Amino acid sequence: KAGVTQTPRYLIKTRGQQVTLSCSPISGHRSVSWYQQTPGQGLQFLFEYFSETQRNKGNFPGRFSGRQFSNSRSEMNVSTLELGDSALYLCASSIGLAGNNEQFFGPGTRLTVL
Amino acid sequence: AQSVTQLGSHVSVSEGALVLLRCNYSSSVPPYLFWYVQYPNQGLQLLLKYTSAATLVKGINGFEAEFKKSETSFHLTKPSAHMSDAAEYFCAVSRAAGNMLTFGGGTRLMVKP
Repeated sequence: KAGVTQTPRYLIKTRGQQVTLSCSPISGHRSVSWYQQTPGQGLQFLFEYFSETQRNKGNFPGRFSGRQFSNSRSEMNVSTLELGDSALYLCASSIGLAGNNEQFFGPGTRLTVL
Repeated sequence: AQSVTQLGSHVSVSEGALVLLRCNYSSSVPPYLFWYVQYPNQGLQLLLKYTSAATLVKGINGFEAEFKKSETSFHLTKPSAHMSDAAEYFCAVSRAAGNMLTFGGGTRLMVKP
């Protein structure tokens, strides 16, 4: 069974631009979560989607948004990029919403904002 | 609010020595607890999880962790370190519902030959 895939793997943008990252979950998984990883702040939860609905949201500004499609694939968008948005963005998929479910992580998209 | 503290951002052990990575959590209700490992330029891989069954949890690659409610701890151990264990390790906690994980700051494990 294929794992979680994220595209692109690397991205370079300039301040003020916007970016869209994509995540394809493991087949049969309906929950997709996004995390931001930086050296200073560590791993922080962005949001979670299940059945095309946002179920939880972390403490990030409105410039960060996401959506989930009917095939469970998810995208996240960051508008008006800032230097501090440079990070590794990780996507995780899970079969359901139970807190004890294993989450399977993708390799991440490394975003660099210049 | 839940929080996770990992004592020691860097831990160095010799190959064959005991590995002990510390994790303490704060939660108002019994949580679900996880240990993940991250190798360079890769995502996170689940090592083990505690879900209120046995307090001693065995995971992959010879790792295990013990849930101690009285100490609010979930320390990760491995009897004998291998060079391939060098990586960053994250302790995380989740709530009863939903997949939101709260992570500790991570511990980078270095294994000396």
